[in-house]
Amino acid sequence: GENVEQHPSTLSVQEGDSAVIKCTYSDSASNYFPWYKQELGKRPQLIIDIRSNVGEKKDQRIAVTLNKTAKHFSLHITETQPEDSAVYFCAASIEERFGAGTRLTVKP
Amino acid sequence: DAGVIQSPRHEVTEMGQEVTLRCKPISGHDYLFWYRQTMMRGLELLIYFNNNVPIDDSGMPEDRFSAKMPNASFSTLKIQPSEPRDSAVYFCASSFGHQETQYFGPGTRLLVL
Repeated sequence: GENVEQHPSTLSVQEGDSAVIKCTYSDSASNYFPWYKQELGKRPQLIIDIRSNVGEKKDQRIAVTLNKTAKHFSLHITETQPEDSAVYFCAASIEERFGAGTRLTVKP
Repeated sequence: DAGVIQSPRHEVTEMGQEVTLRCKPISGHDYLFWYRQTMMRGLELLIYFNNNVPIDDSGMPEDRFSAKMPNASFSTLKIQPSEPRDSAVYFCASSFGHQETQYFGPGTRLLVL
């Protein structure tokens, strides 16, 4: 089945710095790559997604890049703020599997 | 739409008891997913349905777990008998189409004593 690996598992940055989270997947047939944010005690919610016909997508301070040849995609958060602190999950489409999650802490 | 609805929100039960978790997906969505979340194992996909038909149940941990979707607006996840290691948050999610955004319910926090 689909194997989605995500790293790092934890990430701590200073407010205003950038954060990058990376995921790799195994099934070349995957063509939808969402990122979800889960705040403490809440449900996961989509923050950005990308499809395989594009290489990069940006929405204000967040962006996702996709390299289909290498089978990896990344989440980039710029100018981080304390409210960005959460667990972030990537997913790859075919079997709807999630990565293990990255706990991001933004220190004020 | 009220979003994905799950009940109960919290459940405390004793080992050996039957537990039934319920989910109402967003109206019109044709995919429904059940996940289990723990600190140790992260967010695990248990099973998902398309048009009420189970498509992939390879994540169901063992025979004690079963899931049904009798119609497009209702699904259950049953654990019988429950064990302490089943303690977790169980999320239901739905989507319109495959490889589309999943909308999660608030989750059911289960504690098995």
